[in-house]
Amino acid sequence: SALTQPASVSGSPGQSITISCTGTSSDVGSYNLVSWYQQFSGKAPKLIIYGAIERPSGVSNRFSGSKSGNTASLTISGLQAEDEADYFCFSYAGGDSWLFGGGTKLTVL
Amino acid sequence: QEQLVESGGGVVQPGRSLRLSCAASGFIFSSYATHWVRQAPGKGPEWVAVISYDGNIQSYADSVKGRFTISRDNFKNTLDLQMNSLRIEDTAVYYCARDRGIAIEGGFELWGRGTLVTVSS
Repeated sequence: SALTQPASVSGSPGQSITISCTGTSSDVGSYNLVSWYQQFSGKAPKLIIYGAIERPSGVSNRFSGSKSGNTASLTISGLQAEDEADYFCFSYAGGDSWLFGGGTKLTVL
Repeated sequence: QEQLVESGGGVVQPGRSLRLSCAASGFIFSSYATHWVRQAPGKGPEWVAVISYDGNIQSYADSVKGRFTISRDNFKNTLDLQMNSLRIEDTAVYYCARDRGIAIEGGFELWGRGTLVTVSS
């Protein structure tokens, strides 16, 4: 089944927010193969974190990833209006299995 | 520049087949594992399948196993998805997505724009 994310989060410009991605000891808890994606309506997702904590070149350092136990987290600091989008986590789950989270809609107030 | 372009989507009846293609350009296609990811209207993405950089390893989501086949041609720089016995729940935008390198690590750093598959009677 899908990884668990909050359906929505919100924050004001300049604030920090954190989106959680909760799995199990069979997926998030066992592998650092966790990635995060930002998606705007009608567009393909964009990779913003890979390997649980790594940031691709060109991605703002306001985006950071972490992992503790069965939960991965994405933190966006210095929130900006342009960050308003959907965010999805993705993890290897062993064998042939890869799982996306259900997605979190970020609203910048 | 680096690019992935999907094609082959359309409207198809349940039980029929469809073949999607993804043309890669601007990079050494044979150096990357590549995936298919789909997204139903209004839903989150769903991983569909992956193929290793050399085509020797394929893996599938349980929802498509036995019905879909992923393949690649490293000479033509193309990725394909043969979809058989299509179901209404296969309706989605299908994206091809490139992994970060040879290893299958699930970091999709390059995506196509997607092709819409609609399964309807």
